[in-house]
Amino acid sequence: DGGITQSPKYLFRKEGQNVTLSCEQNLNHDAMYWYRQDPGQGLRLIYYSQIVNDFQKGDIAEGYSVSREKKESFPLTVTSAQKNPTAFYLCASSKSSGLAGIYEQYFGPGTRLTVT
Amino acid sequence: AQSVSQHNHHVILSEAASLELGCNYSYGGTVNLFWYVQYPGQHLQLLLKYFSGDPLVKGIKGFEAEFIKSKFSFNLRKPSVQWSDTAEYFCAVRSGNTGKLIFGQGTTLQVKP
Repeated sequence: DGGITQSPKYLFRKEGQNVTLSCEQNLNHDAMYWYRQDPGQGLRLIYYSQIVNDFQKGDIAEGYSVSREKKESFPLTVTSAQKNPTAFYLCASSKSSGLAGIYEQYFGPGTRLTVT
Repeated sequence: AQSVSQHNHHVILSEAASLELGCNYSYGGTVNLFWYVQYPGQHLQLLLKYFSGDPLVKGIKGFEAEFIKSKFSFNLRKPSVQWSDTAEYFCAVRSGNTGKLIFGQGTTLQVKP
C-alpha cells in the first residue's frame, strides 16, 4: 500500500530534550511538508521541502529543524528551543509544488507529542 | 499576509439537515482551493478541490463547493448530512508557485442521529 507513515503515534518527552519525529512516504512524491495542528488554529506550516537536499522555513519554523537526505524521508526535530512543543504534528507530501504541477497534498496519520 | 477564515467553529446539525460551511481567503491573485476533512481517528483527506474552470466543484460523499471570486469565498455545501459526516473540516488555499497551503482554523461538525 502506498502512503505516508509517521511514527510513533504518541510521543512523550521531558522539557529540555530534543525529539525527532519520523515521516516516510512511498508515493514517489517530490515535495514534503510538516504542519502543526492546535485546537482552533487549523494547520500551520513548519517546514517544507520541494526536492532532496533542499528545504524552506514555513510560517512557524522557530525551534524546529528538518533534513531531506532521501526523497522518501523528511524527519522533523523539535528542539528544546521550541517554547510550546506539545501539539499534533502532521506530515504531508505531494507530487510537485512548482508551477509545473499543481497537486494535492496527502497527509500521514500524525504524531501527538506531549512535553512535560 | 495571506489568510483563510472559516466563520463557523462548531456546527451542530440533525441528520438530513442541509450544510453550508463558510470559507473566505485574502489573496487577490490566482488561487487553488481545497476542502479537507478529518474524521475522528483518521487521516486528513481531501474532500474536493478547485483549480480552474467550472466554479462549482463536486467532491466525495455528496459534498460540493462554489468558488465565488468576487467574494473571495469557497463555501462547502451538502444538501443532506449524515451522522457519518461528523468530522473536522478545513478549508485551504494555495497561492503562488509553491505547494504551500494556508489552512483555515477548522470547523467541527457534529451530526446528531
